[in-house]
Amino acid sequence: RKEVEQDPGPFNVPEGATVAFNCTYSNSASQSFFWYRQDCRKEPKLLMSVYSSGNEDGRFTAQLNRASQYISLLIRDSKLSDSATYLCVVKAGNQFYFGTGTSLTVIP
Amino acid sequence: GAVVSQHPSWVICKSGTSVKIECRSLDFQATTMFWYRQFPKQSLMLMATSNEGSKATYEQGVEKDKFLINHASLTLSTLTVTSAHPEDSSFYICSARDQGTSGTLFTYNEQFFGPGTRLTVL
Repeated sequence: RKEVEQDPGPFNVPEGATVAFNCTYSNSASQSFFWYRQDCRKEPKLLMSVYSSGNEDGRFTAQLNRASQYISLLIRDSKLSDSATYLCVVKAGNQFYFGTGTSLTVIP
Repeated sequence: GAVVSQHPSWVICKSGTSVKIECRSLDFQATTMFWYRQFPKQSLMLMATSNEGSKATYEQGVEKDKFLINHASLTLSTLTVTSAHPEDSSFYICSARDQGTSGTLFTYNEQFFGPGTRLTVL
C-alpha cells in the first residue's frame, strides 16, 4: 500500500468553480502535512501546511482528519492561474512522502 | 522562504558519460538534503537522503554506486549519475530542510526545492 494516495485526476473545472482534492495516508504516526503546487516542468512549491484545526489562506482551505487519516484542499472561485498539479505531502519521522499529485485545469 | 539552487538546470550528454548535479542552500544551512527523480506525468520519487558529513541513505531500488551523493558541507550536496544511460533521462530535483533558528515548527518541517535539473542522455 502506498504511503500517500491521491486521485490523479485530471480535474477540469470552469473558472469560478469550487474544487476539492482529498489525500489519504497510511502511517498513523505522521506528524506534518502539506499541500504543494507544481507547475509543468517546475519544482514543487509549498502552497500551505495543514494544521489539525484546519486553516485557510484566501481561496484555499486545508483540513486534516487524523481519525480517518486524510487531508483535503478546497479551492474556491477557481482562477485560470490555479491550473497546476497539487501534491499532497506527509512527513513521518524524517521522511517526506509524496502523493502522485492531482492535475487541475481551470477552463475559461 | 529559503532559497535552494541547482546547477546545471539542464544537461544533454552521451550514453556512458557521468553527470554531476549540484544542490546548494543559499541562505540557510541544511544538514539534510533530499534527492528526487521525476519522470513525465509522475510524482516525485525519493532517491536518497543526503546527510552532511555522513553517508547518504538510499531508497530501495536505487543503486548507490550509480548515483553517488556527496554532502561535504552544510550548504552543498552533489549527485553524480555515473555512466548515464538513456533510461536515466529524467528531472532530478533536490530539496533541503531548513533547520535554522527561527524556532517555528513550520519552518523546521518545510522542504525547499531546487529548480530541478533536466537530464537527457542520448
